Amino acid sequence: AQSVAQPEDQVNVAEGNPLTVKCTYSVSGNPYLFWYVQYPNRGLQFLLKYITGDNLVKGSYGFEAEFNKSQTSFHLKKPSALVSDSALYFCAVRDSGAGNMLTFGGGTRLMVKP
Amino acid sequence: DSGVTQTPKHLITATGQRVTLRCSPRSGDLSVYWYQQSLDQGLQFLIQYYNGEERAKGNILERFSAQQFPDLHSELNLSSLELGDSALYFCASSARQFSYNEQFFGPGTRLTVL
Repeated sequence: AQSVAQPEDQVNVAEGNPLTVKCTYSVSGNPYLFWYVQYPNRGLQFLLKYITGDNLVKGSYGFEAEFNKSQTSFHLKKPSALVSDSALYFCAVRDSGAGNMLTFGGGTRLMVKP
Repeated sequence: DSGVTQTPKHLITATGQRVTLRCSPRSGDLSVYWYQQSLDQGLQFLIQYYNGEERAKGNILERFSAQQFPDLHSELNLSSLELGDSALYFCASSARQFSYNEQFFGPGTRLTVL
């Protein structure tokens, strides 16, 4: 079975500081990894994905994520946080050998303070 | 705007009732996915259809059913509703059946069961 863990319910960071939102996963095959963001009363918006290749993936709105196979992690990062980045962030995984089911982590609320 | 539309936006009903949620995928997308987001269960995959046929099933209750029509829109039917069915229901779509492409989410339907 595939699973995703987001160990932090909330991350607080000051505007202009770097941010990291953590994600670890478990799959039996090769992972396809995704980050989504959810703003209040909105659907999920795709940020970035890792399929294969370069371990550092760049996505929308200046976000990037680092895939680490040995640590089974896929942490989301941004060099300089904006107040407008405040939202709920979800990490998701799909096992390449197990069909289409996308499994989401519990979500991490990012609060960026001015 | 993801291009995925869902109706209605809000639905308030009573226990024991039946409701139908509707989803129109992005133009050209053949796969439709349904997810449930609740405070206690988080974001859970329910079911996937591809070009009219069921392709994957997740944690979907027997009281729930779905279908995808020839025009590719999908409906999620929830019957014998219970208080615990109150949640945000998302539809997502992607281009292909077995793919690592990201899923695009609609704005969701908020179901309240009283």
